[in-house]
Amino acid sequence: DAKTTQPPSMDCAEGRAANLPCNHSTISGNEYVYWYRQIHSQGPQYIIHGLKNNETNEMASLIITEDRKSSTLILPHATLRDTAVYYCIVTPTGQAGTALIFGKGTTLSVSS
Amino acid sequence: GAVVSQHPSWVICKSGTSVKIECRSLDFQATTMFWYRQFPKQSLMLMATSNEGSKATYEQGVEKDKFLINHASLTLSTLTVTSAHPEDSSFYICSASKPTGPNEKLFFGSGTQLSVL
Repeated sequence: DAKTTQPPSMDCAEGRAANLPCNHSTISGNEYVYWYRQIHSQGPQYIIHGLKNNETNEMASLIITEDRKSSTLILPHATLRDTAVYYCIVTPTGQAGTALIFGKGTTLSVSS
Repeated sequence: GAVVSQHPSWVICKSGTSVKIECRSLDFQATTMFWYRQFPKQSLMLMATSNEGSKATYEQGVEKDKFLINHASLTLSTLTVTSAHPEDSSFYICSASKPTGPNEKLFFGSGTQLSVL
């Protein structure tokens, strides 16, 4: 079973920031928080991951609460091409051969 | 960045025939690859873990004799759907793990849409 809880859907206006929440209250000390997204009829795309510090890359920012029980993925300026299903996954890393277990994710709809 | 290539992108076959799907890691060696299946409006479901040079490990409820997995090299894993039936119609996705320590990521292929008539 997935170890995360995400809202089933969210809407966002183009150009605004999209903030996608994720609850992972049972996360273990060796588990990272990963975010992937899946655009319709494509394979999942890696976005970002982190352990306990906030992370930022060219795609997004990841904010993890101090107790690590929840996190937020931020797309600073959403575009229509960001419309996708976003998956928050917690998993141990550094172990080649660990599959990702996907939950239901959040369907983000970006509109003009 | 790392790339995983999956072929074909889509395939239509008759009931009772077999279909082979290839998954290649293009710029890294993948000791382990994973196969997922996704039905419409559902999430990805892990089918099996493919290990180079050894037998695949199947998830509960996945028939190993129906979904044959071969991982003969460090850059290629194949999934063969044998004696396909309409209920096997689905989106099949492979992924490969690039072991880079704490920054390890799974990279995914673009998926194969299988339609069994």
